[in-house]
Amino acid sequence: DVKVTQSSRYLVKRTGEKVFLECVQDMDHENMFWYRQDPGLGLRLIYFSYDVKMKEKGDIPEGYSVSREKKERFSLILESASTNQTSMYLCASNALAGEETQYFGPGTRLLVL
Amino acid sequence: AQKITQTQPGMFVQEKEAVTLDCTYDTSDPSYGLFWYKQPSSGEMIFLIYQGSYDQQNATEGRYSLNFQKARKSANLVISASQLGDSAMYFCAMREGQGSARQLTFGSGTQLTVLP
Repeated sequence: DVKVTQSSRYLVKRTGEKVFLECVQDMDHENMFWYRQDPGLGLRLIYFSYDVKMKEKGDIPEGYSVSREKKERFSLILESASTNQTSMYLCASNALAGEETQYFGPGTRLLVL
Repeated sequence: AQKITQTQPGMFVQEKEAVTLDCTYDTSDPSYGLFWYKQPSSGEMIFLIYQGSYDQQNATEGRYSLNFQKARKSANLVISASQLGDSAMYFCAMREGQGSARQLTFGSGTQLTVLP
């Protein structure tokens, strides 16, 4: 079974703090994705990566950056957290070839005070 | 324009009955894929079913089937014999173009409640 894990289920941070959200997948997937989920808006893509050290902006990259130093790990960074970044963050991965289904982690609920 | 539209914010169904969750999509790309995910209150997104734009037959996975009507651009999820554990948020999503390194565009979701 594909396993995607995220470093925290719940996180509380203060405005202006630097926040790291970590995602690890154990299926040797090339592609990894970061989404945020807000009520009534579904999931929106922040960034994705199709290879180590490669990244592409999604629909809402402002205020975020990412890092992919190893194939299995994809980090989302909030350089200076703001209250409007309070949200649910979901990481996903899939393989370059074959099945295109994205597999999701359990999500991190981030509260920025 | 919305690329994925789910017009039912909430749905109720009696246990053991069938239920249809609506999804319409908008794309000009001839190659696309449609996905349904389930999100229980615990938060994880669980993949349910996939339909490719060139697939001739409707996809089925156990109690889940996808009613794919290409001309109408609809991809409704049908859950047969509903169970209490089916209570969750359901999302329809679309991937445009070919290749796995493409984002999914999600609808706003439908909250399904199964009544005993």
